[in-house]
Amino acid sequence: DAKTTQPNSMESNEEEPVHLPCNHSTISGTDYIHWYRQLPSQGPEYVIHGLTSNVNNRMASLAIAEDRKSSTLILHRATLRDAAVYYCILTFSGNTPLVFGKGTRLSVIA
Amino acid sequence: DTAVSQTPKYLVTQMGNDKSIKCEQNLGHDTMYWYKQDSKKFLKIMFSYNNKELIINETVPNRFSPKSPDKAHLNLHINSLELGDSAVYFCASSQLGSGGDQETQYFGPGTRLLVL
Repeated sequence: DAKTTQPNSMESNEEEPVHLPCNHSTISGTDYIHWYRQLPSQGPEYVIHGLTSNVNNRMASLAIAEDRKSSTLILHRATLRDAAVYYCILTFSGNTPLVFGKGTRLSVIA
Repeated sequence: DTAVSQTPKYLVTQMGNDKSIKCEQNLGHDTMYWYKQDSKKFLKIMFSYNNKELIINETVPNRFSPKSPDKAHLNLHINSLELGDSAVYFCASSQLGSGGDQETQYFGPGTRLLVL
């Protein structure tokens, strides 16, 4: 079962920053925090991941709380193409299958 | 070039039929997966293969039989299709790294199966 909790849905205006929260209070020391998103009628796609430190890539930033019990995915400027379901997933090392929860459905308003 | 491809994209069939879905990845990955996304949009793992060998088989009816002829291909054969098999099936692949990190999984576009 998924070990993360996310809001069911969020809404953002276009060009505004979006902060998508995720709680994972039972995270273990070896769990990585991964974010994937699923655009309408497409397969999931990788967004970003981290272990302890904050991470940035071309798609987003990941802010991880000091106690690692929560994290926040940050989209710096939401576009209409960012409308998707965002999944926060804890993973152990190796090629283990992803355990998807319900995710957060992000709507972006023009 | 498509990294993970699936065929067909849509599949409409009658109950009781047997059908196959094919998946190919051109990323050189050694691990491939099948996931099922039901009508409520929950994504769940079905199977995982590493170097053509089955390593994970979740609680899936034995009417579902995956086959991996080589590292780049993982096909899914379904016998005696039932209404409840209607779903979107996603193939994915990843490469085991040496850094102890969970490797990124790359997903195909999905196969939308409708059983009538």
